[in-house]
Amino acid sequence: EVQLVASGGGLVQPGGSLKLSCATSGFTFSGSTVHWVRQASGKGLEWVGRIRTKGTTAYGLSVKGRFIVSRDDSKNVAYLEMNSLKIEDTAVYYCLREMDVWGQGTTVTVSS
Amino acid sequence: QSVLTQPPSASGTPGQRVIISCSGSTSNIGARDVNWYQQSPGAAPQLLIRSNNQRPSGVPDRFSGSKSGTSASLTVSGLQSEDEADYYCATWDESLSAWVFGGGTKLTVL
Repeated sequence: EVQLVASGGGLVQPGGSLKLSCATSGFTFSGSTVHWVRQASGKGLEWVGRIRTKGTTAYGLSVKGRFIVSRDDSKNVAYLEMNSLKIEDTAVYYCLREMDVWGQGTTVTVSS
Repeated sequence: QSVLTQPPSASGTPGQRVIISCSGSTSNIGARDVNWYQQSPGAAPQLLIRSNNQRPSGVPDRFSGSKSGTSASLTVSGLQSEDEADYYCATWDESLSAWVFGGGTKLTVL
């Protein structure tokens, strides 16, 4: 069974940093693209970024230059490093395999 | 507002057919395949339709998708109470070099 489990969410102050992890199992992680998508409370879905096999990345406009997606194929884990966090980054963050299978999400709250 | 445009709400009675539209442009829907996602209350989204009209294993055949030009649509036939959820379209935008979502449509079963 394909599984993705996001973790590392929490409360952080504006301007701070946080690093999320996405632990995976049940598929060939090294051959898959991993995406991050977020959803603010009561709002729609917003694509955050992705990392392809071999490490090529792409980001949504609202996070470009502040967020970094990385991966460790030896551990089957992807990461989302979030810097210079803003209040509007508050959301549930999901990791996905290939824009098809979703993990359960981890909540990030940016507040003073 | 979202790059892809969806109606904020749709509704129907059990057994009816409901169509949810998703409008884009030549740089997204006009150039790429469209996925549809279903999000039930309190749950993570899940893939409903991939590549315009392909149903993943386990998705009832009541759900179907289509694409024409710069628009896509999701059809729910034989509406059931458990279909009450939020529905999102998504695709890659070649101008933005990013995945883009519609704003979501809340489907209510009356």
